[in-house]
Amino acid sequence: GAVVSQHPSRVICKSGTSVKIECRSLDFQATTMFWYRQFPKQSLMLMATSNEGSKATYEQGVEKDKFLINHASLTLSTLTVTSAHPEDSSFYICSARDLSSSGATREQYFGPGTRLTVT
Amino acid sequence: AQSVSQHNHHVILSEAASLELGCNYSYGGTVNLFWYVQYPGQHLQLLLKYFSGDPLVKGIKGFEAEFIKSKFSFNLRKPSVQWSDTAEYFCAVNSGGGADGLTFGKGTHLIIQP
Repeated sequence: GAVVSQHPSRVICKSGTSVKIECRSLDFQATTMFWYRQFPKQSLMLMATSNEGSKATYEQGVEKDKFLINHASLTLSTLTVTSAHPEDSSFYICSARDLSSSGATREQYFGPGTRLTVT
Repeated sequence: AQSVSQHNHHVILSEAASLELGCNYSYGGTVNLFWYVQYPGQHLQLLLKYFSGDPLVKGIKGFEAEFIKSKFSFNLRKPSVQWSDTAEYFCAVNSGGGADGLTFGKGTHLIIQP
């Protein structure tokens, strides 16, 4: 089956620093990847859509200068949280759509998530 | 804009009981509908999905869901739950073309007592 990985799984950083989170599709190509945020005991909220070779599309209320997204290849998207603050502490999850799947082009495969703690 | 409403935030059942979790969505066009499960400490897993065709869809682990277009509903069911079904369940939707990210409901925390 389609596998999506994220690295790191957990990261602790100091306030004011930047953190990069990687999302990789391991056995398929993905022109589109999505980034979600999940607060404790809450649902996932879509942050942005990452398109290979073009600028990301951000949801309303998400600061594009704070959450930098780069989708440099068909298997890798990165989310950089710049000048992180404690309120950015959250669980960040990515998903990817399989470019080649004909029967399930509308299914998204989720990564395991990255727990970010800003101190 | 799309929205998803899950009516039950916490559900506690005994083993072998039947389960139905409600999900209603708000969107005027064609939709794709999903149920995901998140076991403690694990990532999201797809239980089942509806794109088109037979409104009664069967998923993994004995789960099924029925799409009722007139009610904008996609309720999840399982005839007999097991202790291992204890998890968080999320209903999600995106537009029919499938190119969009998912809009999730707030989730239902299901606890199965032995």
